[in-house]
Amino acid sequence: AQKVTQAQTEISVVEKEDATLDCVYETRDTTYYLFWYKQPPSGELVFLIRRNSFDEQNEISGRYSWNFQKSTSSFNFTITASQVVDSAVYFCALSVLNSGGGADGLTFGKGTHLIIQP
Amino acid sequence: DVKVTQSSRYLVKRTGEKVFLECVQDMDHENMFWYRQDPGLGLRLIYFSYDVKMKEKGDIPEGYSVSREKKERFSLILESASTNQTSMYLCASSLGQGNWDEQFFGPGTRLTVL
Repeated sequence: AQKVTQAQTEISVVEKEDATLDCVYETRDTTYYLFWYKQPPSGELVFLIRRNSFDEQNEISGRYSWNFQKSTSSFNFTITASQVVDSAVYFCALSVLNSGGGADGLTFGKGTHLIIQP
Repeated sequence: DVKVTQSSRYLVKRTGEKVFLECVQDMDHENMFWYRQDPGLGLRLIYFSYDVKMKEKGDIPEGYSVSREKKERFSLILESASTNQTSMYLCASSLGQGNWDEQFFGPGTRLTVL
């Protein structure tokens, strides 16, 4: 069975500070995908990034960056120079190959509520 | 833009009622999913479907069933609603089996069972 742990229930930072959200995953599969989603107060989940298990390169997209380390089974997310609009709940999720070679539903962590104070 | 719509944003039902939650996507996606979201528990997968008339159990299927008669529509059915099914229900879709595209989510239906 798969498991995703987001140990930080809530993080509060002052605007323009950096915020790092931790994600640790567990799976016995060698082929898997990791995702981050953002859920703003409006409620609709927004896709941020997908990373497969064979690609350990870190990724940067604007103020967002992701650090994938298979050795520690972690896929951490950093927001640089945070803004109030970044306030949201962020979910890390994991998907593995099923027996048919496709992807099943996502296994989500419990989410981290990020609060950016002005 | 991919659009996933859910029939109701808020719904109040009574214990024992049969409840239908409807989800429609407009991008010809093969895969559709139903999750429930509860405080402190994150999102949990109830059922998913790879194709019309196909369904697979997720992590918490008990008390639920699904129907997929058309590719674009995926319905979640609570045969006899109970108070512990009060939750936020999220529908999602993705492109196709074997394709690792991201899932697109609808706005959610907040169901209260009294």
